[in-house]
Amino acid sequence: QKEVEQNSGPLSVPEGAIASLNCTYSDRGSQSFFWYRQYSGKSPELIMFIYSNGDKEDGRFTAQLNKASQYVSLLIRDSQPSDSATYLCAVNLHRGSTLGRLYFGRGTQLTVWP
Amino acid sequence: GAVVSQHPSRVICKSGTSVKIECRSLDFQATTMFWYRQFPKKSLMLMATSNEGSKATYEQGVEKDKFLINHASLTLSTLTVTSAHPEDSSFYICSARTAGNTIYFGEGSWLTVV
Repeated sequence: QKEVEQNSGPLSVPEGAIASLNCTYSDRGSQSFFWYRQYSGKSPELIMFIYSNGDKEDGRFTAQLNKASQYVSLLIRDSQPSDSATYLCAVNLHRGSTLGRLYFGRGTQLTVWP
Repeated sequence: GAVVSQHPSRVICKSGTSVKIECRSLDFQATTMFWYRQFPKKSLMLMATSNEGSKATYEQGVEKDKFLINHASLTLSTLTVTSAHPEDSSFYICSARTAGNTIYFGEGSWLTVV
């Protein structure tokens, strides 16, 4: 398995704050990067994906990718209690591999308190 | 509604028996599906890539004779856990890739081996 590391958390932030989730990966061949949210006992839900270096914004979520540092992050602005979940970082080797063959980190548990 | 369906959602089986889990793409044809396993408080671990009409590709450390994967049609992949033991108890999740390279996850199947 390819190594995907996430800060273990748990991460606790007040409502309205910015939550910052970080992820590093070991394989420089990784081409695409995903953030999923998972509630206990449920399957993961895709939040965002990013392929290129830089920032990608979608509503309250911003993904940041730095391939040179092998680092990807997710920022959640104006955090809401409903954002409380485990956030999983996943990477995909695109070149020479199958899109969808994802390697996941252990996840960071986020709690947003009112 | 779900575009990838798994069945059963929960199953209990006796140690030594085999159990089959189905993964169906409901609205699209999926030439490639993926199987993951998730232990409590752990991340998803990719087990194998299921290719329609050909043998599955297993990740390192996954026993292909224990976890039999069949992808006999473009909408159905099955995972059979053979001679199940309590340590096989886990949450098994499949995903399917559309022709447009979107990945959808199934709802997951809880397996308990007693």
